[in-house]
Amino acid sequence: GDSVTQMEGPVTLSEEAFLTINCTYTATGYPSLFWYVQYPGEGLQLLLKATKADDKGSNKGFEATYRKETTSFHLEKGSVQVSDSAVYFCALIDQTGANNLFFGTGTRLTVIP
Amino acid sequence: NAGVTQTPKFRILKIGQSMTLQCTQDMNHNYMYWYRQDPGMGLKLIYYSVGAGITDKGEVPNGYNVSRSTTEDFPLRLELAAPSQTSVYFCASRDRGPNTEAFFGQGTRLTVV
Repeated sequence: GDSVTQMEGPVTLSEEAFLTINCTYTATGYPSLFWYVQYPGEGLQLLLKATKADDKGSNKGFEATYRKETTSFHLEKGSVQVSDSAVYFCALIDQTGANNLFFGTGTRLTVIP
Repeated sequence: NAGVTQTPKFRILKIGQSMTLQCTQDMNHNYMYWYRQDPGMGLKLIYYSVGAGITDKGEVPNGYNVSRSTTEDFPLRLELAAPSQTSVYFCASRDRGPNTEAFFGQGTRLTVV
């Protein structure tokens, strides 16, 4: 079945460091791919998305490119800030009639000054 | 625009008690979901619904029940609370389709003692 695999956390970085959080997926066909962010004490909110191969989603300095050949959607940011400390979830929606939504396990990022 | 509203925000239950977690969305979304998030863990799908009158089990449905009598409301019922149900519960909704964003409520923190 469809699934999303994220890199294990937690991840701790110094401010202004480069961030990569890996995400790979298994799906039939070409799903839509998403990154959600959960700040402390809150629900998840959409960070960015990509709906077809080679699309790049971007928001708030974060980017992720839909790579069909490697079935990946890695999240990157060139210079993280303390305010980026949160849990990041990779997700997909399959292209079957059900359009099921699948989440990865989440990766906790802590950015230290 | 209220989005997804969950009540209550916090609740303490004694073992064996029952309660209903309320979830309402005002975006006319067809799809609604209930997740639980244990400390330091990812999301686990409890139940979901693709429209009024239609519900289906997710990954961890035991000990819970749902109903979907209207498009707006998707309550989650715990009949006999157990300590293993101590968790944070999130309701989410999204529009039908393969590319649509999921909107989350703020969560209900439940403790069973």
